[in-house]
Amino acid sequence: KQEVTQIPAALSVPEGENLVLNCSFTDSAIYNLQWFRQDPGKGLTSLLLIQSSQREQTSGRLNASLDKSSGRSTLYIAASQPGDSATYLCAVPGYSTLTFGKGTMLLVSP
Amino acid sequence: EPEVTQTPSHQVTQMGQEVILRCVPISNHLYFYWYRQILGQKVEFLVSFYNNEISEKSEIFDDQFSVERPDGSNFTLKIRSTKLEDSAMYFCASSGDRGLPEAFFGQGTRLTVV
Repeated sequence: KQEVTQIPAALSVPEGENLVLNCSFTDSAIYNLQWFRQDPGKGLTSLLLIQSSQREQTSGRLNASLDKSSGRSTLYIAASQPGDSATYLCAVPGYSTLTFGKGTMLLVSP
Repeated sequence: EPEVTQTPSHQVTQMGQEVILRCVPISNHLYFYWYRQILGQKVEFLVSFYNNEISEKSEIFDDQFSVERPDGSNFTLKIRSTKLEDSAMYFCASSGDRGLPEAFFGQGTRLTVV
């Protein structure tokens, strides 16, 4: 059964810092990995989808990497802003499901 | 940009009552899902639906739950006799293909059972 772990559980940084969020998964036979953002009490916004054939995927200040062999993905956020404050979730697909990590709660202070 | 739409955004119901949560998936998507998130916990898979039938369901999705695609646009989750522990945020999602492309999520329905 796939298990997804995210470290750290919470992170507080001052505005402008670059930061890395980590995601690990136990079953490396995955097609892709998806990163989401969740604002408090809100839905899930897809940030990046990285295919298993890719090592990196970029969108603006976000960069996701995937290392299937080690069962890890990282989400790099450059020049963080207060508007980046949210919970970041990674999810890996099964046959027709997504298994989520518990998320990293990010707070970027001005 | 196409989006998944869920209604209502918040529903309060009495224990034992039936509730129906509604979703309009992205129009050209073929796979539909329900997930739930109990406050402070992980997002958990409930059920996936393709070609008018359930393709996979979790242990959570027991006999009190059912899903339906009553017409070409709506996708519903019915909880027959709600329990206090059903209180959660319920998310609908859709994707163009199983597991491969992006899954897009709605904004959720917050269900409160009292």
